[in-house]
Amino acid sequence: KNQVEQSPQSLIILEGKNCTLQCNYTVSPFSNLRWYKQDTGRGPVSLTIMTFSENTKSNGRYTATLDADTKQSSLHITASQLSDSASYICVVSDRGSTLGRLYFGRGTQLTVWP
Amino acid sequence: EADIYQTPRYLVIGTGKKITLECSQTMGHDKMYWYQQDPGMELHLIHYSYGVNSTEKGDLSSESTVSRIRTEHFPLTLESARPSHTSQYLCASSEASRNGTDTQYFGPGTRLTVL
Repeated sequence: KNQVEQSPQSLIILEGKNCTLQCNYTVSPFSNLRWYKQDTGRGPVSLTIMTFSENTKSNGRYTATLDADTKQSSLHITASQLSDSASYICVVSDRGSTLGRLYFGRGTQLTVWP
Repeated sequence: EADIYQTPRYLVIGTGKKITLECSQTMGHDKMYWYQQDPGMELHLIHYSYGVNSTEKGDLSSESTVSRIRTEHFPLTLESARPSHTSQYLCASSEASRNGTDTQYFGPGTRLTVL
């Protein structure tokens, strides 16, 4: 069964600190992995996308890594800000269909305190 | 900021009512999607469309129906709402790509409560 598991489920950090969120997947075949940020009451917004051949990608203070061999990804947030408080969702796409089906994790709920 | 819009943002209705959730995008995207999301849970695909006059059911069985008469418009209809339909409904769109790396742009969602 194709699955995407994220950890931790929730995380509280102080403003200015760094944090790392984890994503493990069993989706096969594999096409790409995305990290989305979802603010409360809003739709998800794409942060990064990585294909099989990419093992790191940055978007400002967000850096995503991918190990396709171990089927693991992480999202590292540097110098956190209050606006980083959100749910971070890992999404994996297979290439087994013309739709490129997406498998969603349940997200990590990050809270940044002042 | 993605140019994809959903109305209403919040809706509280009684059981048995017919409702239509609106979704529009101005990016000219061929693909559009409807997801259902409960608090703390993953998104579940309930409908998708490759283009005008194309609609397909997603992974999660849903009693809702959709239509795609125009590229920019993808409304979702519930003929008779029930409390079990209470959820957040997210609409998304993307450009068709050959390698499956198209990014989905999401609307702000409609939070539906059925009493």
